[in-house]
Amino acid sequence: AQSVAQPEDQVNVAEGNPLTVKCTYSVSGNPYLFWYVQYPNRGLQFLLKYITGDNLVKGSYGFEAEFNKSQTSFHLKKPSALVSDSALYFCAVRDSTGGFKTIFGAGTRLFVKA
Amino acid sequence: EAGVTQFPSHSVIEKGQTVTLRCDPISGHDNLYWYRRVMGKEIKFLLHFVKESKQDESGMPNNRFLAERTGGTYSTLKVQPAELEDSGVYFCASSGQGTSPLHFGNGTRLTVT
Repeated sequence: AQSVAQPEDQVNVAEGNPLTVKCTYSVSGNPYLFWYVQYPNRGLQFLLKYITGDNLVKGSYGFEAEFNKSQTSFHLKKPSALVSDSALYFCAVRDSTGGFKTIFGAGTRLFVKA
Repeated sequence: EAGVTQFPSHSVIEKGQTVTLRCDPISGHDNLYWYRRVMGKEIKFLLHFVKESKQDESGMPNNRFLAERTGGTYSTLKVQPAELEDSGVYFCASSGQGTSPLHFGNGTRLTVT
């Protein structure tokens, strides 16, 4: 069965500093991995995805994520955080052999302090 | 392109009543999903349509929940009768083929009192 773990409920970082939001996953087959962001009273917005190829993927708003197969992780990163990055971030996984069902983590709230 | 739209944005009903949530996916998206998030918890998968057919409804909590997708276009999720534990935010999402990401609506916040 697929599962996603986001071990941190909240991440606090100062503006201008690098940020990391952690995600680990479990699937039977090869994973398709996604990051989404949610702003207040809005739906989730797609940030980036890993399907195959280069382990470092780049996405919207300067975010990137690194796929690590041995550690079954897909951590979200940004070299320099902005106050406007403060939001709720969700990691998601889809099993390449299991149809289109996408499983989400519980979310991590990112707070960037000016 | 127009995004995924959900109606209503909020609904407050009493235990035992019926509520119907509606989702209009992005035009041309065959895949439509319903998810639910209870405060602070993960976004839980409910079911997946491919066009008008239910591909996977393994996440539907019980037979009080009924989802339909008329003609492969919009979808409705009916809860009858509603219970207190049904409260949460119900999200609808749609996607194209292959490895396409999900496109989410803004959600319906359901409160059962």
